[in-house]
Amino acid sequence: EVQLVQSGAEVKKPGESVKISCKGSGYNFSGHWIGWVRQRPGRGLEWMGIIFPGDSDTRYSPSFQGQVTISADKSINTAYLQWSSLKASDTAMYFCAYYDSSNWFDPWGQGTLVTVSS
Amino acid sequence: QSALTQPPSASGSPGQSVTISCTGTSSDVGGVNYVSWYQHHPGKAPKLMIYEVTKRPSGVPDRFSGSKSGNTASLTVSGLQAEDEADYYCSSYAGSNNVVFGGGTKLTVL
Repeated sequence: EVQLVQSGAEVKKPGESVKISCKGSGYNFSGHWIGWVRQRPGRGLEWMGIIFPGDSDTRYSPSFQGQVTISADKSINTAYLQWSSLKASDTAMYFCAYYDSSNWFDPWGQGTLVTVSS
Repeated sequence: QSALTQPPSASGSPGQSVTISCTGTSSDVGGVNYVSWYQHHPGKAPKLMIYEVTKRPSGVPDRFSGSKSGNTASLTVSGLQAEDEADYYCSSYAGSNNVVFGGGTKLTVL
């Protein structure tokens, strides 16, 4: 069974950094894309980007390019999403998901809530 | 790229059918057959309901169906059930390795 398990909730102050994770199991992690999706409170889903763990080929949404860094460590079947300087507007639930190049995400991780507040 | 356009809300009574639209452009929905739909119950992970416009993953009831005409894709839920009440999002490939989601539709079962 393909499964993605994300790291726990984070509470940070503006300007701080954070790195959240997404660990895959039940499939060849290196050989398939992983995507990241944001959901701000009361808002819809926003595609952030995808990474191919096998060679770390990464594609970013223009809206998130330069704002976040997506990475992966194929040796431990884990993808990451990180910020170097958080803003209050980064407060959101972040989901990772297995991404197929026919443009579907399934399954999804359980989500990681990142709260940025002074 | 701009988000795909979905109606903010839709509703129907148990047993009825409801259709949710998802309008894009010829650069995304109209130009590819890579449209997918997700059901999202708040507090849970989204669930894939339809992919490649019309295909249904195993385990998804056949009450859910997808279609496309021009730049508009649609999700139809037939025989509405209480558990279908959720937020629904469409997504399309938008070229140049870009993906775009719709704004979401809140489906209420009356």
